[in-house]
Amino acid sequence: DIQMTQSPASLSASLGETVTIECRASEDIYSNLAWYQQKPGNSPQLLIYDANSLADGVPSRFSGSGSGTQYSLKINSLQSEDVASYFCQQYNNYPNTFGAGTKLELK
Amino acid sequence: QVSLKESGPGILQPFQTLSLTCSFSGFSLGTSNMGVGWIRQTSGKGLEYLATIWWDDDKYFNPSLNSRLTVSKDTSNNQAFLKITSVDTADTGTYYCTQRLLYRGYFDYWGQGVMVTVSS
Repeated sequence: DIQMTQSPASLSASLGETVTIECRASEDIYSNLAWYQQKPGNSPQLLIYDANSLADGVPSRFSGSGSGTQYSLKINSLQSEDVASYFCQQYNNYPNTFGAGTKLELK
Repeated sequence: QVSLKESGPGILQPFQTLSLTCSFSGFSLGTSNMGVGWIRQTSGKGLEYLATIWWDDDKYFNPSLNSRLTVSKDTSNNQAFLKITSVDTADTGTYYCTQRLLYRGYFDYWGQGVMVTVSS
């Protein structure tokens, strides 16, 4: 299975700050990567697919980048509603695998 | 508008069989390239992709649980089903069903999830 290593595990940031979350795959996943946001008590919601494509209805302050084995999710101008956990998922190979998550809190 | 909802027993004992139902609307498993996937979230392994059943009754199972998983569907009633045999405490968690498209590896639509607790 492809291992997805996400960092950091937790993150504290201030409103208006720019935040970056990293995801490293154990092998090349050819940009077959998605990012999800999960708020407490809710199911994950798709933010980014194909490494850098914004899902419908997702604010433009979210962006994704990367290639090969290294990917990142950037949140510009952090808002209070962005407090959540974030997960990456590779879909280049079966079984699809997820990162362990990054918990984002407000400082 | 796509919507999915999981239902299940809530609590069960070790060695029992977990049976979950996914009731959905806004799409049909009679449509080519359509599928329903199952994902769980546990404290031990985080988010874990379990299985998919496709419109043509093809199935995929995560090899780590392959022998314990069964998936099926009722196309007429817009339902999909997951069974996990011989559960233990490591199977405790929240189980989600998702819409799956053959040419999309990511998950657009998720159910609200159903909490399952395995306890003696």
